[in-house]
Amino acid sequence: NAGVTQTPKFQVLKTGQSMTLQCAQDMNHNSMYWYRQDPGMGLRLIYYSASEGTTDKGEVPNGYNVSRLNKREFSLRLESAAPSQTSVYFCASSKTLRASEQFFGPGTRLTVL
Amino acid sequence: DAKTTQPPSMDCAEGRAANLPCNHSTISGNEYVYWYRQIHSQGPQYIIHGLKNNETNEMASLIITEDRKSSTLILPHATLRDTAVYYCIVRVAEGSSNTGKLIFGQGTTLQVKP
Repeated sequence: NAGVTQTPKFQVLKTGQSMTLQCAQDMNHNSMYWYRQDPGMGLRLIYYSASEGTTDKGEVPNGYNVSRLNKREFSLRLESAAPSQTSVYFCASSKTLRASEQFFGPGTRLTVL
Repeated sequence: DAKTTQPPSMDCAEGRAANLPCNHSTISGNEYVYWYRQIHSQGPQYIIHGLKNNETNEMASLIITEDRKSSTLILPHATLRDTAVYYCIVRVAEGSSNTGKLIFGQGTTLQVKP
């Protein structure tokens, strides 16, 4: 099992450009999440998907959109990137929202110039 | 979800027990204590969780005080690979209002030294 995979690992964008961060899990989990982590800070929830076909906003959703493509995949889209979105993005999954353990991917390091 | 307070950093000698404290004085009766760690540049990793009883697994032990206002994560024989940021998180595990949100504070940076 690969667990949670994320692509790309690194990305540099110019202000105003768009891009999609991809996430996939092979653990047959129902719930998936997108977090961001800024230097010296903990993770903050951007969006989550309790199950296939549903998505909900987290703490910091502004400037992002998500798509739960199927049970395995959950993508995060930046329509018009801003320097404030420079961060490390982590995808995570769990069996359900109530599950004790969330499994995290390796992260995508995004720089917006 | 209740807020947690952790010391910003701690050192531990390799092979010794690492005891990481966490205060959660406003914890509610239906909130669990979770511990995650984040090794440099990697995604967070679940360690252990508990409600009121002490818990142990292959990675660590969790000691929760009787009043549940604080807890201690114990790594019994710390190795250099245990150097990481350790996050203590309080979260409701049951109920329809649970979004699954993990509120990561600043955590404790544990440095295991040879």
